[in-house]
Amino acid sequence: AQSVAQPEDQVNVAEGNPLTVKCTYSVSGNPYLFWYVQYPNRGLQFLLKYITGDNLVKGSYGFEAEFNKSQTSFHLKKPSALVSDSALYFCAVNDYKLSFGAGTTVTVRA
Amino acid sequence: DTGVSQDPRHKITKRGQNVTFRCDPISEHNRLYWYRQTLGQGPEFLTYFQNEAQLEKSRLLSDRFSAERPKGSFSTLEIQRTEQGDSAMYLCASSPLNQALSYEQYFGPGTRLTVT
Repeated sequence: AQSVAQPEDQVNVAEGNPLTVKCTYSVSGNPYLFWYVQYPNRGLQFLLKYITGDNLVKGSYGFEAEFNKSQTSFHLKKPSALVSDSALYFCAVNDYKLSFGAGTTVTVRA
Repeated sequence: DTGVSQDPRHKITKRGQNVTFRCDPISEHNRLYWYRQTLGQGPEFLTYFQNEAQLEKSRLLSDRFSAERPKGSFSTLEIQRTEQGDSAMYLCASSPLNQALSYEQYFGPGTRLTVT
């Protein structure tokens, strides 16, 4: 079975500082990896995906993610965090259905 | 708005009652998915349709749960004899058939079910 893991329940950063949200994956074959964000009482919004090609993927709202095959990781990054980035972030792998990690709550303090 | 819509947004019901949720996907999307999300957890897959055919059901989908997509457009998810453990957010998503593995799924706002 394909799965992802998010080792951190919470990440706290100051506004303007770099933000990293970690994700590791376990798949057989080529991984199709996604990041989604969820704001309170709302559905999931797609941020970015890795399918093939460049290991650095750029997505919405200034987010990017780095695919690392040797470390089986797909960490989400943002060079300069904003207070409005405070939300719940999910990593997921697609096997005709999405399997999500448990989520990481990001809090950006002003 | 051409996104995924779900109705109702909130449902409070008493244990033992039946409930039905509706999902309207993005019109050109062939695939429709249902997920369940409990507090503090990531969404868990329940079932998905390709057009009107239900292709896969999770073991989470007990006999009390049934989903339909009668004309390959909207879908309904029914829970019979609700239990308190059914309290969760029920999310619907859709995606095109082509490139099904690589294409992102678009999610609706969800239906929050509370069973009292």
